[in-house]
Amino acid sequence: AQSVAQPEDQVNVAEGNPLTVKCTYSVSGNPYLFWYVQYPNRGLQFLLKYITGDNLVKGSYGFEAEFNKSQTSFHLKKPSALVSDSALYFCAVRDTNYGGSQGNLIFGKGTKLSVKP
Amino acid sequence: NAGVTQTPKFRILKIGQSMTLQCAQDMNHNYMYWYRQDPGMGLKLIYYSVGAGITDKGEVPNGYNVSRSTTEDFPLRLELAAPSQTSVYFCASSVTKDTQYFGPGTRLTVL
Repeated sequence: AQSVAQPEDQVNVAEGNPLTVKCTYSVSGNPYLFWYVQYPNRGLQFLLKYITGDNLVKGSYGFEAEFNKSQTSFHLKKPSALVSDSALYFCAVRDTNYGGSQGNLIFGKGTKLSVKP
Repeated sequence: NAGVTQTPKFRILKIGQSMTLQCAQDMNHNYMYWYRQDPGMGLKLIYYSVGAGITDKGEVPNGYNVSRSTTEDFPLRLELAAPSQTSVYFCASSVTKDTQYFGPGTRLTVL
């Protein structure tokens, strides 16, 4: 079955330190991978995506993500965390199964990022 | 350009009542989606539409219905509300199936 796993429910980081939010996936074929962010009481916002090409993808707000095919991972990273980065982060993968659901996104459970001053 | 709008923001229903959650987008997107978000469970796809007049079931369609008579609107209907439908509901739209734009959500409580 196609799936996305975010192994950490919560990640705590001090402001100014680097952050990593982990994501692993399981799909057939080439993966299309995404990160979304959700601030409190708001809808999800697109951060970045990997379709093909360079394994390091740069996105909004200084975030980047590294695609690793051998480890089936797509970890979200930022060199220097800000308190304002505190939010819920979702990894997603495009459904590659043949049929009506093809192309729809499968979301992970989300990881809460808390950045302390 | 308002993006994706949802109404109402909050609603409390009694068991057995019905209601329609409204969703509209002004970006001329063909694809539209309804998700529910439960704590610790991520987003689950309820229904989606690839264009006006075309809808299909997602992962958790039971207890819901949708229609798509125009490109702009994609209402979600709850018939016979149950406590299990207490959740936050998000509508989204996209040009292609990947980069989706989300509305602010509707928080529904069924008592």
